[in-house]
Amino acid sequence: QVQLHESGPGLVKPSETLSLSCSVSGVSIISYYWGWIRQSPGKGLEWIGYNYYGGPINYNPSLESRATIALDTSKNQFALKVTSVTAADTAVYFCARSHGGLIFWDEWGQGIPVTVSS
Amino acid sequence: DLQMTQSPSSVSASAGDRVTITCRASQDINNWLAWYQQKPGKAPKLLIYGASTLHIGVPSRFSGSGSGTDFTLTISSLQPEDFATYYCQQANSFPFFGGGTKVEMK
Repeated sequence: QVQLHESGPGLVKPSETLSLSCSVSGVSIISYYWGWIRQSPGKGLEWIGYNYYGGPINYNPSLESRATIALDTSKNQFALKVTSVTAADTAVYFCARSHGGLIFWDEWGQGIPVTVSS
Repeated sequence: DLQMTQSPSSVSASAGDRVTITCRASQDINNWLAWYQQKPGKAPKLLIYGASTLHIGVPSRFSGSGSGTDFTLTISSLQPEDFATYYCQQANSFPFFGGGTKVEMK
């Protein structure tokens, strides 16, 4: 049974860096694609980026190069960093898994709310 | 940039109704489309991928169709647990989501 679990601070100050981790159990992250999606309060879903082991990383251009996704195979987890955050980055952040080829998310974490505020 | 446009943004329906949601891509995406269901406070759940393939465990009252730029999600007989928000998502290298359709109780 695959499980994903997000962790990290729930409050980040403006201009600082948001850092989240997603712990994966039940499958090795060497397989599959792993990504981050966020949802601003009352809004729709926005993909942030995704990565797979040994492959290139794709990011949503709207993040303007502020996002970084990295896999840690020793811990079977992957991380998200978003630099220079503003209030617009306040959202629930989800980590998710996709099979290769077509990118569709079949396993999700429960989501972690992050607020950007001083 | 490729954009995904869903309509309607909301629909009021009763249990037993047939509900149809459409999703239009701004350019041809073949059949690279997925549909999700999301309930308040929960992560989305994958319903359909490849435009028409039901994900494991998804009830057969859900169906998807379409190819190219126009796609449809149909719930043949709405059940109480189906009141939720539904999203389409293009499934190619840039997996943008549509804006969502909220299925509300009439």
